[in-house]
Amino acid sequence: TAGITQAPTSQILAAGRSMTLRCTQDMRHNAMYWYRQDLGLGLRLIHYSNTAGTTGKGEVPDGYSVSRANTDDFPLTLASAVPSQTSVYFCASSEQSYNSPLHFGNGTRLTVT
Amino acid sequence: GENVEQHPSTLSVQEGDSAVIKCTYSDSASNYFPWYKQELGKRPQLIIDIRSNVGEKKDQRIAVTLNKTAKHFSLHITETQPEDSAVYFCAPLRGSARQLTFGSGTQLTVLP
Repeated sequence: TAGITQAPTSQILAAGRSMTLRCTQDMRHNAMYWYRQDLGLGLRLIHYSNTAGTTGKGEVPDGYSVSRANTDDFPLTLASAVPSQTSVYFCASSEQSYNSPLHFGNGTRLTVT
Repeated sequence: GENVEQHPSTLSVQEGDSAVIKCTYSDSASNYFPWYKQELGKRPQLIIDIRSNVGEKKDQRIAVTLNKTAKHFSLHITETQPEDSAVYFCAPLRGSARQLTFGSGTQLTVLP
């Protein structure tokens, strides 16, 4: 089935540990995004990539890093997790970097203890 | 940055009635205005979008209207059904940064 695959589905992580959330798309979309969703705050953009080889910071980038080595993959890394990073993380892609619908993955539920 | 406000935050309607959700934004350069639906435990999905060169767009029971002068756009759902129960997000495009800014969401409940 075409779309976006995120892994893992859920994770419990000890504070101070590092973790990489994986995201792969098979739609050959140029742009990819990472959002976090917290109750009452909607979806907030962490990092984005308009095309392979480029990345940019969103609204809440601190504590996170990304890379875009190729079109399909856009991993999100937490170098040293803190409890405030407990959230649901959604990866998304769009055909172009603007004016295009976002296609979301199923999300990763992360709990930092 | 872009200020986006959605109203109301919760909305309950009887099945068959209409529902209207309003989104106001601050960036006058915004030119793309989508609405996303998120069912409980699921991912957000686009349900309708509009660009700044039109004032209204309709897709079956769903419509979006845009007032660029007043900087707001609204989602209209007619003949509501229980499966319309979900959280709805507006996400106007920030013109300068070319990124979507999501509203905080509206929980719509359709009562049978």
